[in-house]
Amino acid sequence: NAGVTQTPKFRILKIGQSMTLQCTQDMNHNYMYWYRQDPGMGLKLIYYSVGAGITDKGEVPNGYNVSRSTTEDFPLRLELAAPSQTSVYFCASSYSISRGETQYFGPGTRLLVL
Amino acid sequence: RKEVEQDPGPFNVPEGATVAFNCTYSNSASQSFFWYRQDCRKEPKLLMSVYSSGNEDGRFTAQLNRASQYISLLIRDSKLSDSATYLCVVNSFNKFYFGSGTKLNVKP
Repeated sequence: NAGVTQTPKFRILKIGQSMTLQCTQDMNHNYMYWYRQDPGMGLKLIYYSVGAGITDKGEVPNGYNVSRSTTEDFPLRLELAAPSQTSVYFCASSYSISRGETQYFGPGTRLLVL
Repeated sequence: RKEVEQDPGPFNVPEGATVAFNCTYSNSASQSFFWYRQDCRKEPKLLMSVYSSGNEDGRFTAQLNRASQYISLLIRDSKLSDSATYLCVVNSFNKFYFGSGTKLNVKP
């Protein structure tokens, strides 16, 4: 199993450009998450999904959109990139959120908005 | 108020030392608790779950105090390879909340 994969690994965007960060998991997990991590900070939840067709906002959803058309894929869309969106983006998945169930993370996408 | 708070450190300790990290959380209804380890420029990885009765995994011991809303991680006999940032994570109603992490440097 590849686990959670993310593409691209690194991207530079100009202000106002759009892009989609891809995330795929092959563990048949129901729950998927997108986080951002700014330097020296913890992870902040952007959006999450409890199953195909269901998404919900996290702590910092503004400027982002998601979709979940399949169990495996959970892309994150940035419509109008801003310098404040410079960060490392992690996708994660878990089978459930019952007691003790953990998350598995992808390797991250480093995004620089200039 | 932050959902999860940790001392950022860094904790600089010699090899073989015992070191303890603490974490507090604000939501008394939180359901599950974890410690993750994050190496520089890498993704977080689960170190251990934290149970009310306390649990141990080799040199690592985790404790949970629900009354005080407090989680701890004890590392005994520190190794150079333990150098990393340790993230306290709390799950509340479908969402995982991360502390900003405590940095540990183990020196020869």
